[in-house]
Amino acid sequence: AQSVAQPEDQVNVAEGNPLTVKCTYSVSGNPYLFWYVQYPNRGLQFLLKYITGDNLVKGSYGFEAEFNKSQTSFHLKKPSALVSDSALYFCAVRGLYGQNFVFGPGTRLSVLP
Amino acid sequence: GAGVSQSPSNKVTEKGKDVELRCDPISGHTALYWYRQSLGQGLEFLIYFQGNSAPDKSGLPSDRFSAERTGGSVSTLTIQRTQQEDSAVYLCASSLGATGFNFKGPKNIQYFGAGTRLSVL
Repeated sequence: AQSVAQPEDQVNVAEGNPLTVKCTYSVSGNPYLFWYVQYPNRGLQFLLKYITGDNLVKGSYGFEAEFNKSQTSFHLKKPSALVSDSALYFCAVRGLYGQNFVFGPGTRLSVLP
Repeated sequence: GAGVSQSPSNKVTEKGKDVELRCDPISGHTALYWYRQSLGQGLEFLIYFQGNSAPDKSGLPSDRFSAERTGGSVSTLTIQRTQQEDSAVYLCASSLGATGFNFKGPKNIQYFGAGTRLSVL
């Protein structure tokens, strides 16, 4: 069965500092990995995905994520955080043969001015 | 339409009543998903449609929950005899569909609606 863990409920970071939001996964076969962001009172928005190829994936709003197969991780990163990045972030996984996306519990990111 | 549309945006109902939640996916998207997000919780998968069929209903929490999709487009999630624990935001998402091995394109990206906030009193 597929599963996603986001070990941190909350991440606080000062504006201008680098940020990392952690995600680990479990899936049979090759994973397809995604990050979504949910701003207050808004629906989820796609940020980036890893399907195959380069382990470092670049996405929207300056975010990037690194796929690490040996550690089964797909951490979300940004070199310099903005206050406007404050939101709820969800990691999701889908297996090659599965039709279902499994989402992690979410991590609330607060960027402090 | 330009995006995934859900209606109503808010629904307040009394315990024991039935409710219907509607989702209009992006035109041409063959895959449609329903999720539930409770306050402070993550996303809970409910059901997935590919076209009009639902190959994965594993997430429906009880037989009070059902969903259908007609014409490969609009989907309705029905909750019968609502309970207070059904209170949540119900999210719908659609994607181009993702079968086969060619995942490099946009097929895997889900586009979410704004959700329906259901409150059961």
